[in-house]
Formats: sequence, C-alpha cells, structure tokens
Amino acid sequence: NAGVTQTPKFQVLKTGQSMTLQCAQDMNHEYMSWYRQDPGMGLRLIHYSVGAGITDQGEVPNGYNVSRSTTEDFPLRLLSAAPSQTSVYFCASSYSGGRGELFFGEGSRLTVL
Amino acid sequence: GDSVTQMEGPVTLSEEAFLTINCTYTATGYPSLFWYVQYPGEGLQLLLKATKADDKGSNKGFEATYRKETTSFHLEKGSVQVSDSAVYFCALRTSTGANSKLTFGKGITLSVRP
Repeated sequence: NAGVTQTPKFQVLKTGQSMTLQCAQDMNHEYMSWYRQDPGMGLRLIHYSVGAGITDQGEVPNGYNVSRSTTEDFPLRLLSAAPSQTSVYFCASSYSGGRGELFFGEGSRLTVL
Repeated sequence: GDSVTQMEGPVTLSEEAFLTINCTYTATGYPSLFWYVQYPGEGLQLLLKATKADDKGSNKGFEATYRKETTSFHLEKGSVQVSDSAVYFCALRTSTGANSKLTFGKGITLSVRP
C-alpha cells in the first residue's frame, strides 16, 4: 500500500528560488493538507483542501501556494524561497472533513540557503 | 480556538519504567483525540485515538482515556522499551465542516535508556 507519497525527500534551495513539493495519495481521500514541522513549534497547518477544486488557508499560508486539480494530488509551491521556510514538510490526508485520523507522508526536508 | 497543551520535555526513562505524558485540550464542540508518534527520521504514525468521552484508546501497550470533565488525554505505558524512544504528539480534531483541521501539541521527546 502506497498511502501518502511525498517527493522529494530532501531539497536544498537558494533564497529566491521556487519549487514544488509533490504529494499524492491513493486512498481516495477527499481531505488533504500540508503541515510544516519546526523545533519547539509542533506541526502547523499551511493549506488544506476538502476536495478537487477547493483549497483554503491554514495558520501559516504566507509564501506558499496550493492547487487541487485531482482527488489524488495536492502540490505545495514555494513561490520565492526564504531561509524562514527551512523546515520539514508533511502532507496528510483523510476521508472528508470530520473527526477521523489523518494519514501522513514521510516528510520532505527543505533547506533554504 | 482549539488548542492542545503537552507537558514540557524532553523525558528520559530507564527501560521498564512507567510512562505518563500529560495532554490537555481546549476545543469547541466534541473533538476526537489522538496520539501520534514520530520515530527518528520518519513521518507521523497514529498511535491511538478516542472519539468520545470515556473512550480508551490503546495500542502497543500504550493507553489514553478521553476525560471530558478534565479535558485531558494523558498517554500511559506500564513498561517502556528502548524502541519506544520517539517524539509523541497529542492532537485533536473537531467536526466543523470544511475547517476540520488537526490541531497538534508541541510534541515531547522520549528517550529510553537500556
């Protein structure tokens, strides 16, 4: 079972560069989300989607863009990378918004120099 | 808004010691409660969950009981092993339609020494 797949696992960028973190799930989940994990901060929600064509902002959306053209994919775009975006990023999905558990990918470690 | 408060860490225990990790929450509505575990270099895995008051979640020897009266969901294990060394996150999720996000505590690092 693939579950939630994130790519790349590691990436180094220079300030000002742009890139896309990919996320795909094969569980037919309607709800998908992106979190960032920073030391001492826990996980903070960046953006989420409750279905194809629908996205919304989380707690820390600035500097990030998302789209949801299919149920399976939910890419996260960094428009102009900054050192403050150095973090570990996790994609997570679940059945439609409710109180069920989220399934997480293995994470993408991003360093911005 | 919703929030989760976990006890400060890190925590270091000897193998076979008793473990308690405190977690309290503030939420509107009736949340589901979760404990996630993150082993070194890996993503988050669901450890256990409870969806209503007085439910007890359990897995791999870990237990937690949903206490609505004290708004708590403390994690316990009777005898920890070295393999339990990881970061543990308490989380909640409320059913508020499109805004049904998972809210995490800051996490606590557990180290178990032989």
